[in-house]
Parts: sequence; structure tokens; C-alpha cells
Amino acid sequence: DTAVSQTPKYLVTQMGNDKSIKCEQNLGHDTMYWYKQDSKKFLKIMFSYNNKELIINETVPNRFSPKSPDKAHLNLHINSLELGDSAVYFCASSLWTGSYNEQFFGPGTRLTVL
Amino acid sequence: GQQLNQSPQSMFIQEGEDVSMNCTSSSIFNTWLWYKQDPGEGPVLLIALYKAGELTSNGRLTAQFGITRKDSFLNISASIPSDVGIYFCAVTGTASKLTFGTGTRLQVTL
Repeated sequence: DTAVSQTPKYLVTQMGNDKSIKCEQNLGHDTMYWYKQDSKKFLKIMFSYNNKELIINETVPNRFSPKSPDKAHLNLHINSLELGDSAVYFCASSLWTGSYNEQFFGPGTRLTVL
Repeated sequence: GQQLNQSPQSMFIQEGEDVSMNCTSSSIFNTWLWYKQDPGEGPVLLIALYKAGELTSNGRLTAQFGITRKDSFLNISASIPSDVGIYFCAVTGTASKLTFGTGTRLQVTL
């Protein structure tokens, strides 16, 4: 059973295009996250949603727009793709209790912008 | 932003050897975490540390939360080929935000 799933696994596209990455979790969690991992493997949080409400929004270009239709889904839409957007994007989920709870990560989506 | 520095950056060891890596910060944190990322996969939590001085084991892995609350250490005993991957330390902030370290890449040779 897949806990946190992402689609697509790989995404190759041209500069200037708009693309979306989808994430779903079946763990019953109420908080979901998007992380970006660059070519040097550095992982950095981008967004977090709790019960469909945005709670973390790091300094990310507004070309990136997350959308959470329900607690089990958090999608990431990217407009006007740039070369620097090439990276692996990870979705994660956890329970929200006010203190740390383990975040479970998806397998990642490797985005390549040509 | 907050920087967590991990060392070494990479390690090449032989199967059966013990491994040590550490993570340091300029700030104090109340929770330290160690994750492992296998090639082509997302990070998986190995050990969570909640108290300064705490020493916690998970099989062949042992991690310690530094007394100063500014560092943490991870040891792997008797390494095996499946230990290959990138090991990340991480700390938690507001709203369960995770800040990851720079990573230690481990290669194990037979």
C-alpha cells in the first residue's frame, strides 16, 4: 500500500510551460508539505498545508502555487517554468499535534526544464 | 536562514566498518532528527531525539543529541551494502517546519 504517492515520477518540459505535480496520502494525516531538492541534494521546505489551510510559505516565487482540495491531496502548480526550477520535488505528510510528528515522504518528482 | 552543517560530506567505507557522522548548528534546537535517503527515493526517518544528552539506538544505528543542543551524532556499526545512501540531520521549527542538513553521502564497498 502506497502511503504518500506523487505523479508524475518524471517530468521533462520546455522553459515557459506550465505544469502540475500531484500528491496524495492515505495515512489519514492532516498536514502536507512540498520540499525541493536541488542538484546538490539540499532539501528545503517550500509550503505546508494543515487541514487545507496554508501554514508555511517560504520565500518561493509566486509562479509556484500549491492547492489542497482536501486533507489527502496537495498539488503543486508551476507557471512559466524556468531552468532553475529543475529539481526533485518531494511531497510529505504528517499529523498536526503542536509538537513534532514524523513526516512521511513521497518518492519524489524529478522535474527537468529544458 | 538556519544552516545545519554535516560532516563528512561523503564517505567511502568497506563493508563491516563502523561509520560516524555529525551535524552542527549555530542555534539551539529541541528536536534533532536523522533521515536516510536511498537513491531515487524520498527521505525516511531513522531516529528522533527529543532531549539534550539523549542516546537512542535503532538496530545498528545510534544517535546522540548533543548536550549543548547545537549538535548531533549518528553512528552506524558493521556497515552493510544497503546502508548506501545520503544521511540527513534535521531540526524542527515552528509549524513542524523541517530544516535539513547538507547531507553525508555514504558509499559501501564489498
